[in-house]
Amino acid sequence: QKEVEQDPGPLSVPEGAIVSLNCTYSNSAFQYFMWYRQYSRKGPELLMYTYSSGNKEDGRFTAQVDKSSKYISLFIRDSQPSDSATYLCAMRGYSSASKIIFGSGTRLSIRP
Amino acid sequence: EPEVTQTPSHQVTQMGQEVILRCVPISNHLYFYWYRQILGQKVEFLVSFYNNEISEKSEIFDDQFSVERPDGSNFTLKIRSTKLEDSAMYFCASRATESQETQYFGPGTRLLVL
Repeated sequence: QKEVEQDPGPLSVPEGAIVSLNCTYSNSAFQYFMWYRQYSRKGPELLMYTYSSGNKEDGRFTAQVDKSSKYISLFIRDSQPSDSATYLCAMRGYSSASKIIFGSGTRLSIRP
Repeated sequence: EPEVTQTPSHQVTQMGQEVILRCVPISNHLYFYWYRQILGQKVEFLVSFYNNEISEKSEIFDDQFSVERPDGSNFTLKIRSTKLEDSAMYFCASRATESQETQYFGPGTRLLVL
């Protein structure tokens, strides 16, 4: 079983829709959970991170972590064409030196 | 806004040749990383570096790879004898302190091994 699984998409939704992106993982040692956004030919950019289970909101973005189900989600409200990118979930263990394990990324396209 | 820079943006090399990929992390950051992303695949951790030594490395980071921070500014990744399968985008990242979670990624170097 892969450590982190993410549906690669592509996912295409109309502007203004709510987008739901998800990842599952198998390693119960993961404690920090992150979402990165990657535009074409650019490096990943950290959007949000959460520690352990719970929700975190930042503007139009909400990250959810359910450690009991080993399931994390990113919701984007009022999606905009500028949100079109590849979204990578990522996670690491408790130690700050722990390596980050990335999901394969979901390609998202927002249609005007 | 400060950013991580990487040079070159593209590198083409022959199999067996040595390449050095260069990164300038954000000033005053203490933690440094290299990742790679083979075309169409996920971003993979290679190595982390702190206090002038490797903190952690992945199974990909074998004896052909080395990292160095030669002058307190640059952070380099050397591949001693490149293989076809080393063709990928290589990202450098830096992080300020242990309590700061954000790793800032550079734009990447696209390496093509022929």
